[in-house]
Amino acid sequence: QQPVQSPQAVILREGEDAVINCSSSKALYSVHWYRQKHGEAPVFLMILLKGGEQKGHDKISASFNEKKQQSSLYLTASQLSYSGTYFCGTEIPGGTSYGKLTFGQGTILTVHP
Amino acid sequence: SQTIHQWPATLVQPVGSPLSLECTVEGTSNPNLYWYRQAAGRGLQLLFYSVGIGQISSEVPQNLSASRPQDRQFILSSKKLLLSDSGFYLCAGGRGGHTEAFFGQGTRLTVV
Repeated sequence: QQPVQSPQAVILREGEDAVINCSSSKALYSVHWYRQKHGEAPVFLMILLKGGEQKGHDKISASFNEKKQQSSLYLTASQLSYSGTYFCGTEIPGGTSYGKLTFGQGTILTVHP
Repeated sequence: SQTIHQWPATLVQPVGSPLSLECTVEGTSNPNLYWYRQAAGRGLQLLFYSVGIGQISSEVPQNLSASRPQDRQFILSSKKLLLSDSGFYLCAGGRGGHTEAFFGQGTRLTVV
């Protein structure tokens, strides 16, 4: 039931773009995206609720394809501060899994000058 | 705004000793609460989650347990720690559904 993220790691130069994907084998209620710096707690980036929803702030955006049970995180013109591990979290609607929030294994993003 | 308080920040415990980690929530009522464990360089493994007082769902069979004695309090316990219990423990809380989960600052547990 854990979502699957790809790629596992990305190395970029400042200014380059990256896409991180998150997919689930089950229907999704919502998709959460977080970034974690080394040794720190994950920090919330955004949540997507409806199929086809897209969100973004600054140069980080995300989309949610409910039919395909996938979400993608887009990082545009990357900055050094974007380095960290990115996690997608998913909630599955209803039943005994109500309230359960599980995370993918993470994508390590490294941005070099 | 919602805040998760978690302590201690670091903990070194001998094998076989008990464990109690506490997490409290401010700024919201009736939150969903979660305990995650993160091994070095690895993902967030969901250990327990709770949608209300006394309601605990366990995700991974192990020698850990969780309790929720009050609406905004979530406790992770063990009677006898194993070396494999070492890791970074994170408490998170959220209202579920349409809202994000907030994380505490984590407890780095080393079992020696």
